[in-house]
Amino acid sequence: GENVEQHPSTLSVQEGDSAVIKCTYSDSASNYFPWYKQELGKRPQLIIDIRSNVGEKKDQRIAVTLNKTAKHFSLHITETQPEDSAVYFCAASNPGNQFYFGTGTSLTVIP
Amino acid sequence: NAGVTQTPKFQVLKTGQSMTLQCAQDMNHNSMYWYRQDPGMGLRLIYYSASEGTTDKGEVPNGYNVSRLNKREFSLRLESAAPSQTSVYFCASGREVENTGELFFGEGSRLTVL
Repeated sequence: GENVEQHPSTLSVQEGDSAVIKCTYSDSASNYFPWYKQELGKRPQLIIDIRSNVGEKKDQRIAVTLNKTAKHFSLHITETQPEDSAVYFCAASNPGNQFYFGTGTSLTVIP
Repeated sequence: NAGVTQTPKFQVLKTGQSMTLQCAQDMNHNSMYWYRQDPGMGLRLIYYSASEGTTDKGEVPNGYNVSRLNKREFSLRLESAAPSQTSVYFCASGREVENTGELFFGEGSRLTVL
């Protein structure tokens, strides 16, 4: 089955700085890579996603890049704000719509 | 439009007891999922159902059973609960988009097994 690895497990940045979270996957059949944000005690919610036919996608301060050859994808958050503090999960999905998640990154933005 | 609804939100069981977690979605999605979330382990897939009448094992199916009762409902049963099953359980449904899917999660069910 798919194996998704995520780094780092914790990340602290100063407000206004950028944050980068990286993930790798093992199954070359995976074709969809979403990122979820989970605030304390809440459900995971989709913040951005990328499909395998696209190399980069941006939505305001958030961007995701995908390198299919190397099987890795990354989340970039620019101009971080305290409300960006949360746990972020990457995931990989195959055409059978089985979603496999990374172990999460706890991001703290220091005011 | 409630999205994905799970019950109960909290449950405490004794070792050996059984219980069923209920999940329902009103978005007309074909696929549904059960995940467990443990500290440092992320979200691990227990079972999923690609469509009504089908179920498949995920990464950690041992100790669990599921039923896809109809298109809306997907339940998770613990026949004989063990302390290792203490976790937060999330149900999700998947919207199919361009041969892939987008997951929508319920609020979670916090289960403690003593």
